[in-house]
Amino acid sequence: SQQGEEDPQALSIQEGENATMNCSYKTSINNLQWYRQNSGRGLVHLILIRSNEREKHSGRLRVTLDTSKKSSSLLITASRAADTASYFCARRGGYQKVTFGIGTKLQVIP
Amino acid sequence: EAEVAQSPRYKITEKSQAVAFWCDPISGHATLYWYRQILGQGPELLVQFQDESVVDDSQLPKDRFSAERLKGVDSTLKIQPAELGDSAMYLCASSLGQTKETQYFGPGTRLLVL
Repeated sequence: SQQGEEDPQALSIQEGENATMNCSYKTSINNLQWYRQNSGRGLVHLILIRSNEREKHSGRLRVTLDTSKKSSSLLITASRAADTASYFCARRGGYQKVTFGIGTKLQVIP
Repeated sequence: EAEVAQSPRYKITEKSQAVAFWCDPISGHATLYWYRQILGQGPELLVQFQDESVVDDSQLPKDRFSAERLKGVDSTLKIQPAELGDSAMYLCASSLGQTKETQYFGPGTRLLVL
C-alpha cells in the first residue's frame, strides 16, 4: 500500500507559469525525494531534502519540507513544455524503506 | 552515462504462463530494487536487495513471484503463473547502497497478461 498523497493528482498550466505540487505523509521520515516520470518511462531523480532541512533549490526547482505538518511541496518555476510529466514524492522512513505516492500529472501547454 | 538496463521492454503473455524480467544495475551499485507500477499509480516496492541478500520482500506475492540476485550484480524477477492483475510496468532501480538515497531507474518492462 502507498502512504500519503500527492495533491493535485492532475495539473494543467500554460508555459511560463509556475507549477506547485504537494506531498503529504503519515509517518516520520529520514528524507523525502522528488522524481519525474515521462510517459511510459522510468523515473528520474530530481531533488532530495532531509528531515532537518526546510528548503532546497535546484535550477528551476524549489522543494520545501514541513515536518510538523508532514508535508512537502515542489515548485517548478517558469515551466516549459518539456516539464510535462508525472511527479512523485518518495519518502524514506525507518529501515531505509522508500514509499512512493500516487503522483501528480503535470501538463504544460505551449 | 551509466544506466540501469532492463529487458524485455515489453512482454505479452497469457495467464497461467511464466514470465521473467532481467535487470542489470549500474556498475558498483550494491542495492537493487524491483518495483511494480500499475497504470495511474506510483511505484510499489516488491523486493530490495543489498548485494545478493534480500533485505525487504514484504510486498512480494511469494506464492507466484520470485526474485534473485545470485552474484550480487544482475537480477531476475519471475512470475509463475501470471494472472490478469499482474499487468503493470515493472521497474528496476539501483543505488550505491542502502543509505545512498538516490535511486537510478531503468526504462521498465511493460507486462500485459491476457
